[in-house]
Amino acid sequence: TQLLEQSPQFLSIQEGENLTVYCNSSSVFSSLQWYRQEPGEGPVLLVTVVTGGEVKKLKRLTFQFGDARKDSSLHITAAQPGDTGLYLCAGESMNRDDKIIFGKGTRLHILP
Amino acid sequence: NAGVMQNPRHLVRRRGQEARLRCSPMKGHSHVYWYRQLPEEGLKFMVYLQKENIIDESGMPKERFSAEFPKEGPSILRIQQVVRGDSAAYFCASSPEPSGNTIYFGEGSWLTVV
Repeated sequence: TQLLEQSPQFLSIQEGENLTVYCNSSSVFSSLQWYRQEPGEGPVLLVTVVTGGEVKKLKRLTFQFGDARKDSSLHITAAQPGDTGLYLCAGESMNRDDKIIFGKGTRLHILP
Repeated sequence: NAGVMQNPRHLVRRRGQEARLRCSPMKGHSHVYWYRQLPEEGLKFMVYLQKENIIDESGMPKERFSAEFPKEGPSILRIQQVVRGDSAAYFCASSPEPSGNTIYFGEGSWLTVV
């Protein structure tokens, strides 16, 4: 069974600080996505990474896919209260069953 | 989220009743996924469908749950004889092609069983 473990589960930091959250697995994934979900809403896609070692930037967010395509990280620079939410990573299965599995998420709270 | 339409957004059912959740994928998307999310949890895969075909239902409970995606009309997730443990948010997502790729979510249907 492929599993995605996200850490930390919860993170509460002050506005302006930097942070990194992680998504790890013992399995290899074809691609990995990061989503952000706010209460009462569906997940919203932030980025898809496909190539091992790939780095993508989205304003203050930097996403990296591990060289072996087993893990990923999300780094936020100068966090703002608007970054508050549940960050989910999701991986596309390598065993060609076209299923996308999700980690349990990191719940991020930015204090003003 | 734009484009994947789910309804109803909120549904309240008494124990033993049936719940039907609908999902219209984004225009041009022929692949639909259903996920369930419990409070404070991530999303658990339930079923993956193409038009008129169930591709993977490994995450569906064996009893009371069924899903379909007919040639015409929305995908339906049906829960018969609901129990309190079925209370959750049910999310539908769609993609234009197989091999996973990127899937786009609807805003979810919140089922409450009383």
